[in-house]
Amino acid sequence: DVKVTQSSRYLVKRTGEKVFLECVQDMDHENMFWYRQDPGLGLRLIYFSYDVKMKEKGDIPEGYSVSREKKERFSLILESASTNQTSMYLCASTRLYANTEAFFGQGTRLTVV
Amino acid sequence: AQTVTQSQPEMSVQEAETVTLSCTYDTSESDYYLFWYKQPPSRQMILVIRQEAYKQQNATENRFSVNFQKAAKSFSLKISDSQLGDAAMYFCAYRSASYSSASKIIFGSGTRLSIRP
Repeated sequence: DVKVTQSSRYLVKRTGEKVFLECVQDMDHENMFWYRQDPGLGLRLIYFSYDVKMKEKGDIPEGYSVSREKKERFSLILESASTNQTSMYLCASTRLYANTEAFFGQGTRLTVV
Repeated sequence: AQTVTQSQPEMSVQEAETVTLSCTYDTSESDYYLFWYKQPPSRQMILVIRQEAYKQQNATENRFSVNFQKAAKSFSLKISDSQLGDAAMYFCAYRSASYSSASKIIFGSGTRLSIRP
């Protein structure tokens, strides 16, 4: 059974903390994505990666960075968490080709206090 | 830049009836793919149906079908014989077939569908 696993389902962090969200896929997918989901705004792309050590900014990269040292793992880093980064974060992966299905993790609900 | 618009934040349908969710998109590209994803309360996003822009025939998956109007840039989802398990958030998504931007998947804001028993 194919799987995308996010390290935490719920997370509470303090303002100013450095936060790591981890995502692992076991399907040997080339592409991996981090989205932020907020009510009324849908899924907004933060960063995506099409290969190891390769990354591209999405629509809302400010305040975030990413790391992809291994093909199966894609990490989202909040350098200094702020309350406006309280949100649901979804990781996804796909094969290289555009017509392929995206597989999603179950999401991490992050609260910054 | 491509955009995806879902103008219905919420929809409600009687069980066993048919409902249509709307989606429009904007692109200057001619080759792309369109998707509908479902996110139930469990938060696990799953693919419902996909459509290749170069195909004129509308995609169908059991009770789910689309009405793809390429000239109008419209991609609606029809759910027939609605079931309680169809209650979820539905997202329309666009993906370019261009190799240079193939990786990006652009989502709409979602439509929350509720089913009345």
